[in-house]
Amino acid sequence: GAGVSQSPSNKVTEKGKDVELRCDPISGHTALYWYRQSLGQGLEFLIYFQGNSAPDKSGLPSDRFSAERTGGSVSTLTIQRTQQEDSAVYLCASTQSPLSTDTQYFGPGTRLTVL
Amino acid sequence: QQQVKQSPQSLIVQKGGISIINCAYENTAFDYFPWYQQFPGKGPALLIAIRPDVSEKKEGRFTISFNKSAKQFSLHIMDSQPGDSATYFCAASTWNDMRFGAGTRLTVKP
Repeated sequence: GAGVSQSPSNKVTEKGKDVELRCDPISGHTALYWYRQSLGQGLEFLIYFQGNSAPDKSGLPSDRFSAERTGGSVSTLTIQRTQQEDSAVYLCASTQSPLSTDTQYFGPGTRLTVL
Repeated sequence: QQQVKQSPQSLIVQKGGISIINCAYENTAFDYFPWYQQFPGKGPALLIAIRPDVSEKKEGRFTISFNKSAKQFSLHIMDSQPGDSATYFCAASTWNDMRFGAGTRLTVKP
């Protein structure tokens, strides 16, 4: 079956512009995670959605970052007033259940470049 | 803060050799320790994982060793192959949070 998909695959934007990144999780997966991978850095947890519960936003780096998940499926990560330090690959992952032992399936990522 | 420390940053191994990557964590609430393999341009993919009630897990050429008292775990790749060349991330998670190490770029020379 289809895996996690993300769009766009690449996004180049100018400093100060807003961007929206989309994630389509695997159908039926209840948990969805967003991560950021900066050049030469590890994966940084941003936000976690579980079903219709309020998301865990503890990893969002600033109030310019927000995310929503509509209908318990598709998720959008929005970055307002982008800065050059926001340049990174943004990865989305989904799991079938919220249990920590469940396998996370990652999408291919969106490479964001802020000029 | 860096909750999972991974070393080395990069590793070069000859074909047939053993690759060893180490990780250490701080939060004793972590109860799941996966390793991910990432090829250029791809998202990470789960390689092997262990829970803290087990000291070792082996799947094919890949073995995780886990030391709960030291809060350390490691990945061993036996008989390393050029196709193993990738970036490897360790991680530690609770039910709603996963923290990753900084990654190790492994190069296996033919």
